[in-house]
Amino acid sequence: KQEVTQIPAALSVPEGENLVLNCSFTDSAIYNLQWFRQDPGKGLTSLLLIQSSQREQTSGRLNASLDKSSGRSTLYIAASQPGDSATYLCAVLRSNDYKLSFGAGTTVTVRA
Amino acid sequence: SAVISQKPSRDICQRGTSLTIQCQVDSQVTMMFWYRQQPGQSLTLIATANQGSEATYESGFVIDKFPISRPNLTFSTLTVSNMSPEDSSIYLCSVEEDRGDIQYFGAGTRLSVL
Repeated sequence: KQEVTQIPAALSVPEGENLVLNCSFTDSAIYNLQWFRQDPGKGLTSLLLIQSSQREQTSGRLNASLDKSSGRSTLYIAASQPGDSATYLCAVLRSNDYKLSFGAGTTVTVRA
Repeated sequence: SAVISQKPSRDICQRGTSLTIQCQVDSQVTMMFWYRQQPGQSLTLIATANQGSEATYESGFVIDKFPISRPNLTFSTLTVSNMSPEDSSIYLCSVEEDRGDIQYFGAGTRLSVL
């Protein structure tokens, strides 16, 4: 069974600081890994998708790395802003059944 | 990218009643999914709903409790039946345009059962 863990559960930083969010998974048989952002009352928004053959993906201030063999991914957010305050979820798409397994999320607060 | 409308956005219901949640997509998609997010927890897949076939339920979820309809490629409903306070959660639908592609999510339905 795929277990996805996100550390830390919560994070509070001053504006401008870089954010590092960690995700680990127990089964390396994944098709891809996705990072989502969840805002209260607004569902989930996909931020980055990394295919299992890729090592990283970048979008603006966001960079996600993937080390499939060790079962780890890291999401970096550069120069954080108050608007980055949200819960960030990591999810892996299992290659045996194409279903997503989610972590519990990291709740980020960026202080102005 | 697919745009998903989910209704209602929130509801407060009495124990023993049922609530039907609607999910409308702005494009035709084969695969739709229903998730539950209990307070403080991550998302758990309830079932996969493909048009033209019965929904496939995950372990711990049964059709009598969570009946699903998928009448066409743009619409699905999830009913939470005979509700109890333990059913208080956020229910989300999502779609996948191609297998292994990005999943798009609705805004969710926040359900409270008294």
